[in-house]
Order: sequence, then structure tokens, then C-alpha cells
Amino acid sequence: SAVISQKPSRDICQRGTSLTIQCQVDSQVTMMFWYRQQPGQSLTLIATANQGSEATYESGFVIDKFPISRPNLTFSTLTVSNMSPEDSSIYLCSVSGAGDEKLFFGSGTQLSVL
Amino acid sequence: DAKTTQPTSMDCAEGRAANLPCNHSTISGNEYVYWYRQIHSQGPQYIIHGLKNNETNEMASLIITEDRKSSTLILPHATLRDTAVYYCIVRVRAAGNKLTFGGGTRVLVKP
Repeated sequence: SAVISQKPSRDICQRGTSLTIQCQVDSQVTMMFWYRQQPGQSLTLIATANQGSEATYESGFVIDKFPISRPNLTFSTLTVSNMSPEDSSIYLCSVSGAGDEKLFFGSGTQLSVL
Repeated sequence: DAKTTQPTSMDCAEGRAANLPCNHSTISGNEYVYWYRQIHSQGPQYIIHGLKNNETNEMASLIITEDRKSSTLILPHATLRDTAVYYCIVRVRAAGNKLTFGGGTRVLVKP
């Protein structure tokens, strides 16, 4: 199984600012995903992070709001831009290897926007 | 990916088997049934998956009906640490491995 480190684990931010969340995996993985979990809700997929190319965003999510980078097979970042209180959520990184049936999740970043 | 229906919540007694149902009546022939759980303040954890045969691992058993329209996750001896939200997900293996989460079942294991 992959070990996933997410940083920061939590943050409190001011409206209008941006936060970059890092996801580091201890081994090379094929797929990396970013999810959002709003308070009391289930997980919603934001995007698939593609190595060396633009991320693939799900309906309702756009690159200007959630820019994503994936420079290599073990690292990705998600930026939450121009934050508002509605962005207060847990953001989770998820990974899987080639042919791996399972997805592994980081412990998430708890974001609160004031 | 096919939609699933799960009870919103259920309680079970510590030490007893917990049977978690899931309906997926529109499942396609190439879609697998996956179960994940999310313990409070943690990321989701993989439990088990199957296509049409019953499956068992160290965590749980998965029983899929012959018509594949429903399944049951069985935790054989529930402990307090099994208190979590359990998600039943059906997906095609080729769909970029992404998972689409529904509402899940909030399971409370009571002493």
C-alpha cells in the first residue's frame, strides 16, 4: 500500500487568499486524484492530476479556482484560490498504481476560511 | 458509474456481525462493487471489492446476489473501532480508477 503525506493537515485562512496543499507519496503511482468533502457530506471528486499535463476537472470545478500541478509520479499540489467561507472543507489526495484495484487516501487537509 | 442506495445509518452491537446492505439495481456487467469506510477525521480506507463471486479478506466478507443487483458487506465481529461511514461504490475498472462516492451508511457500534 502507498503511504500518502498531505500538508498542511489543517489551516485557517482569510477570505480572498489562496492555499496550496501538497500531496507526497512514498512510491511512484499512476493515478492521483483530489477530492473535496464539505462538512457533513460525502466526498466529491475535484479533478484527476495528470503528470506533465493539465489536470482533468469534474463538472463544477475549474482550473482558475483549483489549479493543480503534478510534476512527477510521486507529488501533486492543489491550490484553492481566492477563498471564500464556502471553500471550508476537507481536501483529500488519493492515489492508485497501474492495475491497482484500490485507491489509497491521505488523511486530508482541514481548511477553514474566515 | 451506476448509482447505489444504502441506508443512512445503522447501529450494531459490539462482538456481533454487522450486515450492511447496498442496492445497485442498474449495475452493468463490467462494473465491480467496492466498499470503503471512513473513520472520523481520516481518509477513506479500502475494505473489499468483487465482481460476482463472494469475497472474503481479513477485514470483511462481501456477498453479491446472483443477479448482482444488490450486495451485503459483513463485518463478522464488530468492534468499537469499526464505527465509521461505509461507502458502497460500483465502478468500471477502466474508468481511470476514480471513485464516485454516494452518501454511505453511518455505522455506530455500541458496547
